[in-house]
Amino acid sequence: GQNIDQPTEMTATEGAIVQINCTYQTSGFNGLFWYQQHAGEAPTFLSYNVLDGLEEKGRFSSFLSRSKGYSYLLLKELQMKDSASYLCAVGGTDKLIFGTGTRLQVFP
Amino acid sequence: GAGVSQTPSNKVTEKGKYVELRCDPISGHTALYWYRQSLGQGPEFLIYFQGTGAADDSGLPNDRFFAVRPEGSVSTLKIQRTERGDSAVYLCASSLGGAPNTEAFFGQGTRLTVV
Repeated sequence: GQNIDQPTEMTATEGAIVQINCTYQTSGFNGLFWYQQHAGEAPTFLSYNVLDGLEEKGRFSSFLSRSKGYSYLLLKELQMKDSASYLCAVGGTDKLIFGTGTRLQVFP
Repeated sequence: GAGVSQTPSNKVTEKGKYVELRCDPISGHTALYWYRQSLGQGPEFLIYFQGTGAADDSGLPNDRFFAVRPEGSVSTLKIQRTERGDSAVYLCASSLGGAPNTEAFFGQGTRLTVV
């Protein structure tokens, strides 16, 4: 079966660091994606990991451990505009399978 | 256009009616996906096209749902005898190639409300 778990909601303070975890069990694996989705808007691509380890891109980093079925998205120097939902998605055999998303609220 | 375009952006229909939702992918993208997203949930896979053919339609909830992509570009999602439970945002995405290891670009979605 397909199962992707991530926390439903998180809160953090402007300027802080937050880590959003994602665990997955899927048939077929072609990499793990993180997407950002602001309310009422389309998801936009943040990162892609296919090998174990940390990928850094500016304020955002993403980590993958394939043996543990685990990934996290790390957001540094949080800004108010980072308030959004963060979707963990696994590349299956022919499609992306999404988790339910983590709604992050950043407070001043 | 530069991105994935979906029309209409909003659609309100009565229960039992037929609706068509259109997706215009990024030019040159051979892979096209339809997802459905309910409030507070992640996108739920419906169907995937590689070129003109439906490579995977395992996510279509029942036979009221059907999608086509006759020329390998624009796609239409068709819903017959709509039900209130069909209300959701229908998202279309496209990507280069067919494997899900490349970035998928999403349209703004069509918000369907069945009353």
